[in-house]
Amino acid sequence: NAGVMQNPRHLVRRRGQEARLRCSPMKGHSHVYWYRQLPEEGLKFMVYLQKENIIDESGMPKERFSAEFPKEGPSILRIQQVVRGDSAAYFCASSWDSQNTEAFFGQGTRLTVV
Amino acid sequence: GDSVTQMEGPVTLSEEAFLTINCTYTATGYPSLFWYVQYPGEGLQLLLKATKADDKGSNKGFEATYRKETTSFHLEKGSVQVSDSAVYFCALILNTDKLIFGTGTRLQVFP
Repeated sequence: NAGVMQNPRHLVRRRGQEARLRCSPMKGHSHVYWYRQLPEEGLKFMVYLQKENIIDESGMPKERFSAEFPKEGPSILRIQQVVRGDSAAYFCASSWDSQNTEAFFGQGTRLTVV
Repeated sequence: GDSVTQMEGPVTLSEEAFLTINCTYTATGYPSLFWYVQYPGEGLQLLLKATKADDKGSNKGFEATYRKETTSFHLEKGSVQVSDSAVYFCALILNTDKLIFGTGTRLQVFP
């Protein structure tokens, strides 16, 4: 049973480009969470999704950021018109229920904006 | 709002030393508490958890006890190894909401 798969592991974008980060949850998991980790900081919650639904996006910037978790395929975190401050590690976690008592994390995507 | 506060790092120890990483929380109800570990270049792995007061979570020689009276969940290990070098995150979850993390504490263990 593969773990949470994130790709790409590393992503370099120029300012103004779009970044797409993908997350395939563990088999059987229908709950996905995205977190952002800035250098030397902790993880900040961004968004919580279930299949085809955004449950909580209170941690996501109102502009340029969006997330989806379609019925088929991975969850996507999309950042439009990236800026230097978007450079961070983005982690996805999945769980099989809303209790989130054991969330499994992917290895993260490290986004660098140049 | 709900939050987690951890001691700042880095914590630097010699092999076989005793480890304590402090964690306190603020929550409006009764959260479940977790410790996650992040090895260099990796994602987070659940280390241990406790879901109610006085519960003790343990794994790989690490322990933490849920103390409601002091709102704490300090991580301890009696004898650290070089392989324990990593960043440790304390976290809580309340009412099936999202995980809230502390800022992390870097542990460096030298032979």
